Amino acid sequence: AQTVTQSQPEMSVQEAETVTLSCTYDTSESDYYLFWYKQPPSRQMILVIRQEAYKQQNATENRFSVNFQKAAKSFSLKISDSQLGDAAMYFCAYCPGGGADGLTFGKGTHLIIQP
Amino acid sequence: GAGVSQSPRYKVAKRGQDVALRCDPISGHVSLFWYQQALGQGPEFLTYFQNEAQLDKSGLPSDRFFAERPEGSVSTLKIQRTQQEDSAVYLCASSLRPANVLTFGAGSRLTVL
Repeated sequence: AQTVTQSQPEMSVQEAETVTLSCTYDTSESDYYLFWYKQPPSRQMILVIRQEAYKQQNATENRFSVNFQKAAKSFSLKISDSQLGDAAMYFCAYCPGGGADGLTFGKGTHLIIQP
Repeated sequence: GAGVSQSPRYKVAKRGQDVALRCDPISGHVSLFWYQQALGQGPEFLTYFQNEAQLDKSGLPSDRFFAERPEGSVSTLKIQRTQQEDSAVYLCASSLRPANVLTFGAGSRLTVL
């Protein structure tokens, strides 16, 4: 069974600074996808970034980028120039290549932005 | 609709009551998932539909939980004889096809007294 581990229950960063959220996963599959989702207090999950395991290039979306280390099974999220609106729970998630098994989520990291 | 719609947003039930939670996925989305999210935890997979076929229900915690999607669009998650441990947010998500990015609804928060 796949597992996703987020070892940081809570992180705090000053506005405009950079923060990195950690995620490790365990799988025997070679074809899979990794995601970071953001869940503000309103509860609706919003996709932040997606990485396909067969792609060596790290995914980037504006201020959000990942460091994908396939051999180490590590998938960290870097948020640059942190903004107050970035405050939320962040979940790392794994999905096997076929997609029909759905997402396996980590327990989440609560990100606090200090003004 | 433009997004995944879930109702009710909040439900309070007395222990032993039956509840039904509704999910309206994005029109045309083939794949539909239900997740259970306990307080302070990540979502846990419950069940998966591809059109009207329930392909995986391995995450349903007991036989009191039942889900259906009879016409391949709207889905209902039913919980019979609710227990306090059923208190959670129930999230629905859909995608155009398997392995596509999921779009989540805002969830239904169930509180069992």
